[in-house]
Amino acid sequence: AQSVTQLGSHVSVSEGALVLLRCNYSSSVPPYLFWYVQYPNQGLQLLLKYTSAATLVKGINGFEAEFKKSETSFHLTKPSAHMSDAAEYFCAAYSSASKIIFGSGTRLSIRP
Amino acid sequence: DAGVIQSPRHEVTEMGQEVTLRCKPISGHNSLFWYRQTMMRGLELLIYFNNNVPIDDSGMPEDRFSAKMPNASFSTLKIQPSEPRDSAVYFCASISAAGGPNTGELFFGEGSRLTVL
Repeated sequence: AQSVTQLGSHVSVSEGALVLLRCNYSSSVPPYLFWYVQYPNQGLQLLLKYTSAATLVKGINGFEAEFKKSETSFHLTKPSAHMSDAAEYFCAAYSSASKIIFGSGTRLSIRP
Repeated sequence: DAGVIQSPRHEVTEMGQEVTLRCKPISGHNSLFWYRQTMMRGLELLIYFNNNVPIDDSGMPEDRFSAKMPNASFSTLKIQPSEPRDSAVYFCASISAAGGPNTGELFFGEGSRLTVL
């Protein structure tokens, strides 16, 4: 069965520091992979997606993620955190039958 | 496009009352999902429809919950009778047909925040 695991329910970094949010997927066939961001009192919105075209995917707001098949990982990074990046981040996998599996989410806090 | 539209945005009701949440997906999207989000349980898939047909309702917590999609542009999630533990934010999301440029990308509404007293 397909699953998505996000390590760390809460990550805190200083403003200007590197952001690294971890995501591992479990699937016999590499699925489409996504990162969504949820700001307070809002719905989820797409940050970036991997659809097998390129292993390094660039998204909005300076975020990027690298698909590593050997590690079954799709970690999200940003070189320099900004206060506005504080939000909850969800990793998700889509394979077939229109079913999408979400990770449990990681809350990112930014320290001034 | 206006995006996925949900109503009401906020609902406060008393235990035992019927609650109906509504969703209008993005035009042309052929799959629709209902999610529930709570602090304790995170984001949970309740049910999803493909071409207006319920495909997987294994996430529906109890018989008190029911969902319908009478046509491609409208869906409802009903709770009857409601209980305090149903308090959560309920999200509707839709997805375009497989094979298109947005394959797999979910478009979420802004959610309906339900409080059952």
